[in-house]
Amino acid sequence: DIVMTQSPDSLAVSLGERATINCKSSQSVLHSSNNENFLAWFQQKPGQPPKLLIYWASTRESGVPDRFSGSGSGTDFTLTISSLQAEDVAVYYCQQYYTTPFTFGPGTKVDIK
Amino acid sequence: QVQLQQSGPGLVKPSQTLSLTCAISGDSISSNRAAWNWIRQSPSRGLEWLGRTYYRSQWYYDYAVFVKSRVTLNPDTSKNQFSLQLTSVTPEDTAVYYCVRECTLVGGVPGYLQHWGQGTLVTVSS
Repeated sequence: DIVMTQSPDSLAVSLGERATINCKSSQSVLHSSNNENFLAWFQQKPGQPPKLLIYWASTRESGVPDRFSGSGSGTDFTLTISSLQAEDVAVYYCQQYYTTPFTFGPGTKVDIK
Repeated sequence: QVQLQQSGPGLVKPSQTLSLTCAISGDSISSNRAAWNWIRQSPSRGLEWLGRTYYRSQWYYDYAVFVKSRVTLNPDTSKNQFSLQLTSVTPEDTAVYYCVRECTLVGGVPGYLQHWGQGTLVTVSS
């Protein structure tokens, strides 16, 4: 199985400041079939299902604010929130869909400082 | 607009079978650009993928090894829904269960998990 790790476990950022979350996969998720990274980011708020933010490592899902961006390739990825808003308080997960079993990172909790 | 509506009991006794259903609206369960997944979440184990099913001229199934002997996904084309059955449950199976629509590539190549059901908390207890 591909193991996903995230850092940090949690972070607190001032409103309007940048938040950066890192994700690493135990093997490359860059697929030769389409030269895409099979990596997604999700946001989860209490009592809600995870919400897709980013797929193909850097493509924003429809309706997701452009302050959310994804980058990286191969085994190392980053989710950046360029200007943290109060509604961004949540747990963020990375997930690989390169192969089954699909696997998720343990999550990063983002709070307001 | 795809929507997934989950139903099923929130309490199951140990050794019995957990059964959940996911009704699909806004898409066809037989779509050749979708797969249908079950994922669960617990504080101790995080998000765990259980399995997926999809139709490409026939039905395909893909299950997580750790539950493969206990899990079955059943598509129902007449009702446009799919179900999860997990047998011989123990308290370790207590979790929030989600059905999820996956946007696949051609031929069932895995894709991103785009639409999630509302989640069902299932507690395994006598």
